[in-house]
Amino acid sequence: QKEVEQDPGPLSVPEGAIVSLNCTYSNSAFQYFMWYRQYSRKGPELLMYTYSSGNKEDGRFTAQVDKSSKYISLFIRDSQPSDSATYLCAMSDILTGGGNKLTFGTGTQLKVEL
Amino acid sequence: DAGITQSPRHKVTETGTPVTLRCHQTENHRYMYWYRQDPGHGLRLIHYSYGVKDTDKGEVSDGYSVSRSKTEDFLLTLESATSSQTSVYFCAISAPQTGNTEAFFGQGTRLTVV
Repeated sequence: QKEVEQDPGPLSVPEGAIVSLNCTYSNSAFQYFMWYRQYSRKGPELLMYTYSSGNKEDGRFTAQVDKSSKYISLFIRDSQPSDSATYLCAMSDILTGGGNKLTFGTGTQLKVEL
Repeated sequence: DAGITQSPRHKVTETGTPVTLRCHQTENHRYMYWYRQDPGHGLRLIHYSYGVKDTDKGEVSDGYSVSRSKTEDFLLTLESATSSQTSVYFCAISAPQTGNTEAFFGQGTRLTVV
């Protein structure tokens, strides 16, 4: 079983829909949680970063972490065709010296249709 | 792109030949990482560095070596390339000493071993 599970999709939604993307994890040592967006043939781009349980909002994006359930979510409101990409969840514990190794989900492919 | 340059961007090489990929950063970040991305596996950590001449193994380090002689450069070497090393390789940087543990990624190197 992988440490981080993520539904690969593809997920297709109409423009303007609310999108919910989710990951579950098994390692209770994970403390930092991130969502990356990756366009085709590009590098991952950091969207949201959270530490601890709760919600964090940034524009149309909301990241939610539930450490008790080992479950994280990313919500996208008023989805746009430009949101069409692969969304990767990532999480880490802390390395000696304060660095972090990221463990990624496999990514969910999202398509927002006109 | 957070001041990260990967070179080359594309490479085709033959089985058994050594290959070196370069990551150059202009952010003066302490930590640098090499990941590979494969369908069904997401991004997996190969090696990372926490300072000049300080490196350690990640999840999938067999067949790879790294070196970091300057803060800004992190090299990944495939000692004797195999077809299983055909992948997209991403370099990432982070600066946890600043209080932030987000990792930022380069644009990737697409390597094909024939």
